[in-house]
Amino acid sequence: EVQLVESGGGLVQPGGSLRLSCAASGFTFSTYWMHWVRQVPGEGLVWVSRSNSDESIRSYADSVKGRFTISRDNAKNTVYLQMNSLRAEDTAVYFCAGALPPSGTAIAYWGQGTLVTVSS
Amino acid sequence: IVLTQSPGTLSLSPGERATLSCRASQSVSSNYLAWYQQKPGQAPRLLIYGASSRATGIPDRFSGSGSGTDFTLTVSRLEPEDFAVYYCQVHDRSVGFFGPGSKVDVK
Repeated sequence: EVQLVESGGGLVQPGGSLRLSCAASGFTFSTYWMHWVRQVPGEGLVWVSRSNSDESIRSYADSVKGRFTISRDNAKNTVYLQMNSLRAEDTAVYFCAGALPPSGTAIAYWGQGTLVTVSS
Repeated sequence: IVLTQSPGTLSLSPGERATLSCRASQSVSSNYLAWYQQKPGQAPRLLIYGASSRATGIPDRFSGSGSGTDFTLTVSRLEPEDFAVYYCQVHDRSVGFFGPGSKVDVK
């Protein structure tokens, strides 16, 4: 059974940092592109970032470029999202997700999400 | 790229046909066009990838079509479990974009 379990969410002040983790199991993690997608409760999905299997290709939405960094540890089957200089508009549920190879764009596996709240 | 989905809300009865549109502001590769279903309190579920290929376990009442800037998701006969929000998604130069979603609710 495929599982993606996010952790690390919580309340942080504007300008602060947070690191999200996502532990994967049930599929060959090292061959999958991994994504982060966020959603404000009651609103639509927003793509945040993705990484290919060896981190040689990492891309970001314009809204987080320069502030967020995606990374992964294939030995631990874990993907991370380091979020710096957080803003109120970064408040959302963050989903970790795995996309089908080889294109790495169709997101087949999703976690249940972790809530990040940026507020003073 | 900006994705526009229409209609915003579609009110139908079980057994009816749902036709949802996704329009891109510029031509995109069909290889990178996907559709997702999301129900309240749940993570999204992949329905269609490559514009027209059904994901594993997706019933054949779901179909996708289109190319260039215009794509369509069709649900041939709505089942009670199909009432949900549907999102299209595309990648362009390695950056992803979601449409705003179309809600299919019970008439």
